[in-house]
Amino acid sequence: DIQMTQSPSTLSASVGDRVTITCRASQTINSWLAWYQQKPGKAPKLLIYKASSLDSGVPSRFSGSGSGTEFTLTISSLQPDDFATYYCQQYNSYSPVTFGGGTKVEIK
Amino acid sequence: EVQLVQSGAEVKKPGDSLRISCAGSGYSFASYWIAWVRQMPGKGLEWIGIIYPGDSNTRYSPSFQGHVTMSADTSTNTAHLQWNSLKASDTAIYFCARVARGDYFLRYWGQGTLVSVSS
Repeated sequence: DIQMTQSPSTLSASVGDRVTITCRASQTINSWLAWYQQKPGKAPKLLIYKASSLDSGVPSRFSGSGSGTEFTLTISSLQPDDFATYYCQQYNSYSPVTFGGGTKVEIK
Repeated sequence: EVQLVQSGAEVKKPGDSLRISCAGSGYSFASYWIAWVRQMPGKGLEWIGIIYPGDSNTRYSPSFQGHVTMSADTSTNTAHLQWNSLKASDTAIYFCARVARGDYFLRYWGQGTLVSVSS
């Protein structure tokens, strides 16, 4: 299986900060990567798919980049509603789907 | 509007059997893969597998193969996840989600079903 390593596991930041989360794949997945946001007690919400495509209705302060094995999710100016846990997911067709371990974004 | 509505929380004992459900509406249920995802208490997301309701084709993650069974009923637009003999380690929230056409990311999610297994 393809292993997805997210870093950091926890991130403390303030409103207005620029935040970057990294996800590394154990082998190339081209651009088959999605990012999700999850708040406590809720289902995950899709933010980004195909590494950099913003899902409909997602604020433009979220952006994704990368290809191959290294990917980033950036929040350009952190808002109060953005404090949550973020997961990456690889969906290369020729391997079981796997998620990263998650990054919790906390209030500094 | 696409909706996935899951069955309610369950409290079971080790060795019990269980089937939880996920009812889809607002789209052609038979034509989209449904995924199941596990989230153990305080932990991350784990991919269980997917089922195509149109022909009940299934693909399991190796970690879950043989431990759970996915099924779907197009007459009721409902997908199911089933255990024959629960273990305490099955305690988790289980989410269903609709797989995007042509890709394997998940845009629409159910609200989750909490399964608690304890003696």
